[in-house]
Amino acid sequence: DGGITQSPKYLFRKEGQNVTLSCEQNLNHDAMYWYRQDPGQGLRLIYYSQIVNDFQKGDIAEGYSVSREKKESFPLTVTSAQKNPTAFYLCASSMVAGASYEQFFGPGTRLTVL
Amino acid sequence: QKEVEQDPGPLSVPERAIVSLNCTYSNSAFQYFMWYRQYSRKGPELLMYTYSSGNKEDGRFTAQVDKSSKYISLFIRDSQPSDSATYLCAMSANGAQKLVFGQGTRLTINP
Repeated sequence: DGGITQSPKYLFRKEGQNVTLSCEQNLNHDAMYWYRQDPGQGLRLIYYSQIVNDFQKGDIAEGYSVSREKKESFPLTVTSAQKNPTAFYLCASSMVAGASYEQFFGPGTRLTVL
Repeated sequence: QKEVEQDPGPLSVPERAIVSLNCTYSNSAFQYFMWYRQYSRKGPELLMYTYSSGNKEDGRFTAQVDKSSKYISLFIRDSQPSDSATYLCAMSANGAQKLVFGQGTRLTINP
């Protein structure tokens, strides 16, 4: 089955710790995205990548880092510099060629800071 | 002012009602318009995708785009309790790989 997987589903972090959220896709999509969702605020873009070994900051990149070493994978690290990391994190992917703008989402990771 | 405005609701209607969900936007460069449905604690799923102006129908769902008014709508006919979810509008300009999302409208269909 083609799709996007995110792991873990739930993640707990102590203050001061870095954590990495996994995102993998087997849709052969070029572009991948990370969003943060808070209650009543919709989706906010953290980082996105259109090609391997290249990525751009979104609207709320501070306190986060990413890498794109493989087309299929786009992990997100939430660093200790992120002051309010408790949120629902969503990974998405889309094609670039052919001007397809639809993004397809994974099931999400719920991060809670203890 | 946000680029995309969407009433967060909550919106509660009886089963089989016609539901109208709306978004307004300010960027006249937007050409691609999407509606996503998100069930509680799940990722959003793409429901409808429309390019430029006009209507698009898929079963009980109809998406409308009025670029002159910068207004998009999603209509749900014969609504069912399984339609209860948060509906997010999203849009993009030509050549831009980023989507701009509305806040989402929380919809409940009561049996």
